[in-house]
Amino acid sequence: DAKTTQPPSMDCAEGRAANLPCNHSTISGNEYVYWYRQIHSQGPQYIIHGLKNNETNEMASLIITEDRKSSTLILPHATLRDTAVYYCIVRVAQDDYKLSFGAGTTVTVRA
Amino acid sequence: GAGVSQSPRYKVAKRGQDVALRCDPISGHVSLFWYQQALGQGPEFLTYFQNEAQLDKSGLPSDRFFAERPEGSVSTLKIQRTQQEDSAVYLCASSPRTSGGKTQYFGPGTRLLVL
Repeated sequence: DAKTTQPPSMDCAEGRAANLPCNHSTISGNEYVYWYRQIHSQGPQYIIHGLKNNETNEMASLIITEDRKSSTLILPHATLRDTAVYYCIVRVAQDDYKLSFGAGTTVTVRA
Repeated sequence: GAGVSQSPRYKVAKRGQDVALRCDPISGHVSLFWYQQALGQGPEFLTYFQNEAQLDKSGLPSDRFFAERPEGSVSTLKIQRTQQEDSAVYLCASSPRTSGGKTQYFGPGTRLLVL
């Protein structure tokens, strides 16, 4: 049973912000939201994670709604190299070792 | 620095053949994970090691799958009597902490094709 729901695909224009939604309506209070991405023929790569506050790092920003039932990953200036499958993952605490990936969102950045 | 490496990158096996897939984690990483990724799907957890101890093998699909990490560094995933449904990308990941920690670092994967 999937803990997250993501659109199967989306396109965005190079240089524009890409906003990737994720629904996690059954999230528990001690579960974090993680984002990974997988570029073609590579292993998944960690992007960002958060519990309830918005987070930003050098790769992206994570906006989590106040009720924590959904979140949005923002790539501020998408480049062609950001074309990948993006996975939104809910996991219990930072020490839970299993990652349950789901199908993810295939993001295609177009020139 | 060096990341997680896997070998071979590609493997073609005849049905019924045994295969061995190798993972070299990042030096000093305590935790090691194997995942299986079927075409068009997300990776699925197979097994987890903390140093040389295999703490979770609940994701291994059958007793034909066996993983080991005898010295707490390099790991090998062995598949006996391969079947066509074993065709997938096998991903290895490592983490510096004693469980998943903040992030797992993935290798490029081994693409296995069973004919």
